[in-house]
Amino acid sequence: VLVVQSGAEVKQPGDSLKISCQGSGYRFSNNWIGWVRQKPGKGLEWMGSIYPGDSETRYSPSFRGQVTISVDKSITIASLQWSSLKASDSAMYYCARQLDGDVGNAFDVWGQGTMVTVSS
Amino acid sequence: YVLTQAPSVSVAPGQTARITCGGNNIGSKSVQWYQQKPGQAPVLVVDNDSGRPSGIPERFSGSNSGDTATLTISRVEAGDEADYYCQVWDFSDQYVFGAGTKVTVL
Repeated sequence: VLVVQSGAEVKQPGDSLKISCQGSGYRFSNNWIGWVRQKPGKGLEWMGSIYPGDSETRYSPSFRGQVTISVDKSITIASLQWSSLKASDSAMYYCARQLDGDVGNAFDVWGQGTMVTVSS
Repeated sequence: YVLTQAPSVSVAPGQTARITCGGNNIGSKSVQWYQQKPGQAPVLVVDNDSGRPSGIPERFSGSNSGDTATLTISRVEAGDEADYYCQVWDFSDQYVFGAGTKVTVL
């Protein structure tokens, strides 16, 4: 089982961005995928999760309206996107597979992280 | 829902480290624990209060009751030095992480 994320990004404020997370080695449609933000030197923050089987999505209240989570199960890729980045979006972003079953299960396989830097 | 963790814990090699995660009636929820070493992605070390994923040493164990969940690391080794985060799924339909505890091996 592998979860592989897209590479680091350097963007300017106001830019749009979409980062991705590809799952392999398991039945992609059957496990929720979650996104977690970690700012430098800080803790983990759950952003939201998506179920590839039917694209059901749950967002943290802190991130709803700020980002969009999507999935293309035909190519086993989940994505996280911003329409207008801010400097405060600079962080490491992790995606992770969730254990079989309900949305509230543990994150058992993590991607390597995608570093996003937003600077003018 | 708020999860409270001590910022740091120090332990000598071979001793036992206990990392706590406080929350209102956390004993009614399922608690996960993650280990994160510098520059690496988190790793699940305890699932559903006390389950140990494949590949995690038996030295790692968890418990959960009342208002406190605990991750216990027995016979601590230098390689256990890391940040440890607790996590729950709250009834308000969201994951909550604790702020993390830095474990230092003396």
